[in-house]
Amino acid sequence: GNSVTQMEGPVTLSEEAFLTINCTYTATGYPSLFWYVQYPGEGLQLLLKATKADDKGSNKGFEATYRKETTSFHLEKGSVQVSDSAVYFCALSPGAGSYQLTFGKGTKLSVIP
Amino acid sequence: NAGVTQTPKFRVLKTGQSMTLLCAQDMNHEYMYWYRQDPGMGLRLIHYSVGEGTTAKGEVPDGYNVSRLKKQNFLLGLESAAPSQTSVYFCASRRSSGGPSPETQYFGPGTRLLVL
Repeated sequence: GNSVTQMEGPVTLSEEAFLTINCTYTATGYPSLFWYVQYPGEGLQLLLKATKADDKGSNKGFEATYRKETTSFHLEKGSVQVSDSAVYFCALSPGAGSYQLTFGKGTKLSVIP
Repeated sequence: NAGVTQTPKFRVLKTGQSMTLLCAQDMNHEYMYWYRQDPGMGLRLIHYSVGEGTTAKGEVPDGYNVSRLKKQNFLLGLESAAPSQTSVYFCASRRSSGGPSPETQYFGPGTRLLVL
């Protein structure tokens, strides 16, 4: 079946540090890949997505590239801010007409001034 | 445009009590979902609906029932609550495959449920 594995947290960074959160997946066919973000006390929001291999999703300074050869979709940001403190979820939907999401367990990021 | 809303925000139940969580969306989406979020587990799908009057089981359906009598509402019921159902519950919706970005789900703010 489909699965998503993302790096365990929590991750604590200083402001302006570089961020990488690793995500790898297992799926047949050509899934779509997502990063969702959950700010404290809120629901999940779509951060970025990529629907085919080699696509790069980007939003709010975050980027992730769909790498089919390594089955990965790592999230990166060059300079994090305190306001980026949140839980980040990697997810996939199988494609081919099926859009049910499978989530990773989430990575909590804390950015300190 | 409120998006996806959930009622209530927080509830405490005693074991064996029943309750209904309400999810409403104003985006005219066909698909609706109920997830539960537990520490270290990510989100797990409980039930979902592909349209008014239809429901289907997800990954962890036991102990829950759902109904979709109106397109905009998706209800999650607990007939006899158990401590194992202590969790944060999220509702989500998405448009049908015929529209733009059907793969994107929109989430509500969540309902925190504590079962004693």
